[in-house]
Amino acid sequence: GENVEQHPSTLSVQEGDSAVIKCTYSDSASNYFPWYKQELGKRPQLIIDIRSNVGEKKDQRIAVTLNKTAKHFSLHITETQPEDSAVYFCAASHQAGTALIFGKGTTLSVSS
Amino acid sequence: GAVVSQHPSRVICKSGTSVKIECRSLDFQATTMFWYRQFPKKSLMLMATSNEGSKATYEQGVEKDKFLINHASLTLSTLTVTSAHPEDSSFYICSAREGQTNTGELFFGEGSRLTVL
Repeated sequence: GENVEQHPSTLSVQEGDSAVIKCTYSDSASNYFPWYKQELGKRPQLIIDIRSNVGEKKDQRIAVTLNKTAKHFSLHITETQPEDSAVYFCAASHQAGTALIFGKGTTLSVSS
Repeated sequence: GAVVSQHPSRVICKSGTSVKIECRSLDFQATTMFWYRQFPKKSLMLMATSNEGSKATYEQGVEKDKFLINHASLTLSTLTVTSAHPEDSSFYICSAREGQTNTGELFFGEGSRLTVL
């Protein structure tokens, strides 16, 4: 089955800096890679996703890159703000209705 | 986006009792729902895949007799934690994709925090 590795487990940055979180996956058949933000006690919220037919996607301060050959994908947050502080999870799945398999999460702390 | 509602949001029970958690898709039909479990400061671990009208598929290490899943309609899946013990205390989250589209996005319920005394 799929296995998703995520690094780093914690990340501390100053407000305005960029943050990068990296994930690798094991199943070459996976073709859907979302990123979720989870605040304490809340449900995960989708912030951006990418499918295997593209290599990069951007939405304002957030971007995701995908390297299918190397089986890794990364989340980039630019101009970080204190409200970006949360736990971020990457995930992978086949697009055809199978479950998402999550990485272990990255706790991002943005200090002002 | 689609809405998934979960109930109850919090439940406290005595050891040995059973607890039922409901997961509903409010504005779409979900032939498949997924149940996850999350311990404090940990990741979401897939427990089982709930299929409407058929038996759930459990992940390795998840006891099917302990965690009973029923998906009786296209909008409702239930998870029953039977004979709960303190080690079952956790955050349980359900999720679903819209059945008629293949966007890939998974919609999550609010989660249910179970505390077993």
